[in-house]
Amino acid sequence: DAKTTQPPSMDCAEGRAANLPCNHSTISGNEYVYWYRQIHSQGPQYIIHGLKNNETNEMASLIITEDRKSSTLILPHATLRDTAVYYCIVMFNFGNEKLTFGTGTRLTIIP
Amino acid sequence: GAVVSQHPSWVICKSGTSVKIECRSLDFQATTMFWYRQFPKQSLMLMATSNEGSKATYEQGVEKDKFLINHASLTLSTLTVTSAHPEDSSFYICSAGYDYTFGSGTRLTVV
Repeated sequence: DAKTTQPPSMDCAEGRAANLPCNHSTISGNEYVYWYRQIHSQGPQYIIHGLKNNETNEMASLIITEDRKSSTLILPHATLRDTAVYYCIVMFNFGNEKLTFGTGTRLTIIP
Repeated sequence: GAVVSQHPSWVICKSGTSVKIECRSLDFQATTMFWYRQFPKQSLMLMATSNEGSKATYEQGVEKDKFLINHASLTLSTLTVTSAHPEDSSFYICSAGYDYTFGSGTRLTVV
């Protein structure tokens, strides 16, 4: 029973903005949207999370639709080092809850 | 930020032997740590939740007698793969901390 749906793969030209979509139509009111990425043969890395407002940090921006049924992770100026699998995860706030990964989106940055 | 160290980063062992993987929280204490397994081209699958001072909680389908977890201190959890077989070859990753910091992973190859 997948909580999120992401495209399996995407390409983006180096220097352009990479926009990664995620559908989470069954999200509940108290659940956050988290994004992680995994570069090949490394552990996952936290990127950003949000509840309903758009969020921005030094790595990315997160745009959540008003109905909260979908979101978009934006990498504003993609570099080759951004090539990775990106995971969108819906869960309650950080704590001891189990973090469950879906299949993610394999983003390839093209030189 | 929080740092989680995993050791070894890779290991090759003979079929039938046991292998121990360590997960350490370097600059914080962790009463709970999580162990994941990842096969090639697949997502991370949660194996078990390691609880300091008590028994680990295993996910459905994970053999607790084969994957022994010990969380004897607030900074160290170990995963021992007992009587390893080639099908246990995988990438094992731990996470710890309130914000789910991940280790760099351990690639196990059983020959």
